[in-house]
Amino acid sequence: AQSVTQLGSHVSVSEGALVLLRCNYSSSVPPYLFWYVQYPNQGLQLLLKYTTGATLVKGINGFEAEFKKSETSFHLTKPSAHMSDAAEYFCAVSHPPGGTSYGKLTFGQGTILTVHP
Amino acid sequence: EAQVTQNPRYLITVTGKKLTVTCSQNMNHEYMSWYRQDPGLGLRQIYYSMNVEVTDKGDVPEGYKVSRKEKRNFPLILESPSPNQTSLYFCASSFTPGLAGDKRTQYFGPGTRLLVL
Repeated sequence: AQSVTQLGSHVSVSEGALVLLRCNYSSSVPPYLFWYVQYPNQGLQLLLKYTTGATLVKGINGFEAEFKKSETSFHLTKPSAHMSDAAEYFCAVSHPPGGTSYGKLTFGQGTILTVHP
Repeated sequence: EAQVTQNPRYLITVTGKKLTVTCSQNMNHEYMSWYRQDPGLGLRQIYYSMNVEVTDKGDVPEGYKVSRKEKRNFPLILESPSPNQTSLYFCASSFTPGLAGDKRTQYFGPGTRLLVL
């Protein structure tokens, strides 16, 4: 069964500091991986995704993530945090075809990012 | 503009009073899904639909019903709401999940915040 673990329910950084949000997954087959961002009182917006090919993927707003199969990780980073990055971030894995959960996204618990001036 | 819309955005109701949350997408997506978001639990799938007249249970289907009579619409029905269904609900859609790459990306509506008293 697919599962996603996000390490740290809350992460706090200073403006201009590195942002690192951790995500580990378990999957019996090569996964499709996603990061979504949820700003206060809004829906989920796709930040970036890994499907196949290049393991370092770039997303919107300067975020990027690297798929590391050996570590079963898909950590999200941004070199320099901005106040507008304050939000909740969700890592998700897409279930492969053939199973009963075909097409479902399994989400991690979410990480709330706080950015201090 | 390509989008998923949900109505209402906010709803307060009482135990046992039937309600329907509507979801509509204009992207001609085959796959639609309902999730609920609860603090510390991330998003969990309630029901999903692979296409018109094809629906199936997700991880937490108890107390919910869905229907898919038209491709663009996927309403969520709570026939007898209870306080434990107080939550934030999201509708999502995508192309057929078996397709590779971008076509597996799910797009989310803005959410419906439900309070059951």
